[in-house]
Amino acid sequence: QKEVEQDPGPLSVPEGAIVSLNCTYSNSAFQYFMWYRQYSRKGPELLMYTYSSGNKEDGRFTAQVDKSSKYISLFIRDSQPSDSATYLCAQGTGANNLFFGTGTRLTVIP
Amino acid sequence: DVKVTQSSRYLVKRTGEKVFLECVQDMDHENMFWYRQDPGLGLRLIYFSYDVKMKEKGDIPEGYSVSREKKERFSLILESASTNQTSMYLCASRATGGSGNTIYFGEGSWLTVV
Repeated sequence: QKEVEQDPGPLSVPEGAIVSLNCTYSNSAFQYFMWYRQYSRKGPELLMYTYSSGNKEDGRFTAQVDKSSKYISLFIRDSQPSDSATYLCAQGTGANNLFFGTGTRLTVIP
Repeated sequence: DVKVTQSSRYLVKRTGEKVFLECVQDMDHENMFWYRQDPGLGLRLIYFSYDVKMKEKGDIPEGYSVSREKKERFSLILESASTNQTSMYLCASRATGGSGNTIYFGEGSWLTVV
C-alpha cells in the first residue's frame, strides 16, 4: 500500500466552480500536511501548510485535514484559469523526508 | 523568499556520459534533496543530505551519486547515463525544526538521455 494515495485526474471545471482535491494516507505518524501547486515544466511551489486537524484558509484556498479518517482536502473557491496546474499533497513525520501524492492535474476552463 | 536554483534546465546527453546536475540554495538550509519526477509515479527521492559531506540514500539511489562539499550546494551525478534516467530532476531544500518541515523546490532540470 502506498503511503499516500491521490486521484491523478485529470479534472476539468468551468471558471468560477468550487474545486475539491483529495488525498488519503496510511501512516498515522504524519504530523505535517502540505499542498503544492506545480505549473507545467516548473518546480512545485508550496501553497498551503498545516500541522493539525481542522481547516486552514488562505484567500480562495482552504486546506482541510481529518486525522481520524487519514484524509486531506484542498478546496479552491471561485476557480480561475490561472489555477490550472497539478496539485500535489504531501505529508511528513518531522523526520527528513516528505511523502508525496502523485498529483492531480486540474484545468479551469474560461 | 527561499530560492533554490538549478543551473541546468534542459539537457540532452548520450548513453554512457557522466552527467552533473547542480543545485544551490540561498537560505542556509541544513537539508537538501534530489528527486526525480515521472508521469504516474510522482516524486521519488534519490538522495538527501542533512549536513555538509553527509548523505543518505532515498528510495531510488541506484545509478546516482551525490556530492555536498558546501552547505549551499548539492550536486547529483549520473556516473553513466542510461535512457531510463530520462526524467525531470528536482532539487529541494529544507530547514530543520519549527515549520521547517516545509520543502522548497527548484525549477527542475529536464534530462533526456539518447
